Formats: sequence, C-alpha cells, structure tokens
Amino acid sequence: QQQVKQSPQSLIVQKGGISIINCAYENTAFDYFPWYQQFPGKGPALLIAIRPDVSEKKEGRFTISFNKSAKQFSLHIMDSQPGDSATYFCAASRGSGNTGKLIFGQGTTLQVKP
Amino acid sequence: EAGVAQSPRYKIIEKRQSVAFWCNPISGHATLYWYQQILGQGPKLLIQFQNNGVVDDSQLPKDRFSAERLKGVDSTLKIQPAKLEDSAVYLCASSLDGTGEMTQYFGPGTRLLVL
Repeated sequence: QQQVKQSPQSLIVQKGGISIINCAYENTAFDYFPWYQQFPGKGPALLIAIRPDVSEKKEGRFTISFNKSAKQFSLHIMDSQPGDSATYFCAASRGSGNTGKLIFGQGTTLQVKP
Repeated sequence: EAGVAQSPRYKIIEKRQSVAFWCNPISGHATLYWYQQILGQGPKLLIQFQNNGVVDDSQLPKDRFSAERLKGVDSTLKIQPAKLEDSAVYLCASSLDGTGEMTQYFGPGTRLLVL
C-alpha cells in the first residue's frame, strides 16, 4: 500500500516530441504528488507538484494530469528538449498533519534525441 | 541562497569498516531527511528529523546505521559495520517544515562504494 509504481523504466523521444511518464499508487491517504528531476551526479530537484483537489497542473512545458478515481497521475513534457534528458521520479506523501514522508517511484530515464 | 551541502562526495571502504556522512541543510529549515538511493531505484527514506528530534526512522537499519542532528542544524549519518549492500548514494534533504511547506530540497549526495 505504500508503493508508488512508475512506468516506463526508460523512454526515448525525439526533440519536439511529447514525453509521458505514468505513476500509480494504492494508498488513498496520499494527498501530495510531486515530480522530481535528477541529472547524473546531482540530487533530485522538484519539478512540479499537484494535490488531489485538481485534475491538472501546468507549469511551462510540464503538466501533471491526476486521476483520483484511478489512483494514477502522469507527467507530460511538451516540446521535449535534449536538456530534458534526465531521470524523473514521481512521489507521493501524506501531507499536512503528518510527517511529509515521500514515497518515490522507481524512476524513468528520459533521453531526448536532437 | 545556499543549497543543501553534503560531504564527502565519494567514499570507498572495505566491508565491515565504518563510515560517516555529513549534511548541512538550508538555513532555517527545520526538517532534515536522509535517503538511500540504490542504483536504478528511487530514493528511500532512512530517517527524518524535525529540529533535533527523530520523526521517522522506521526504515533505518538500526543495528548498523545511526544518525544524529545535534542543535537542530547539521546532521551526520554513520554506518558501522558496512556491508556490500550498503553501496548507494546517500542523499540529504531539507524542508522548511515537515507539513505545510512540503518542498524537499536535496543535496548532491555522497556516493558510497563498499568493497
């Protein structure tokens, strides 16, 4: 119940294309869903996050779509660029009133080809 | 604003030896986290501090791992004795607090190789 399952494990996209990464969770108590971006040799950095009271959140080229009934959420990267090549992690946590402990997915390695 | 600092960046030790990692969080951040990231996997929380108190250490192998956060600022994570399976990147993160402000800021990590 504490797991967050992420797919695909790896993804290759052409420059300008759309990258889509999916995550699924079981624990309905989760109420905060961030996506982190990690470059080699660096720590993860928050990219975008959503709470379950909205179905979509967009920041620039990055969009989170959230389906509460299906317990799924996804990251869409529009107009993918070679600089987006990195590993992406979805995560989930129980928010206010709790410890904020993040449960991470397994990660998706994205390669954007020029 | 300075980010989360960690040292050393790399460490190679023999199994059964001991090792310690240091973390300095972002100034003013009350909550500090230590994560273990095994190659090809997502980070896994080992221990979470709120100021200098432990909030969650349910996944910390307490027979060999220990951590402290004296004075509610810097923190050290120790492994004694190390095992081969401890080879991983150890990430430190901090957040303003553990509830309302959820953004966790990660340091660059310490890459540990146990031979």
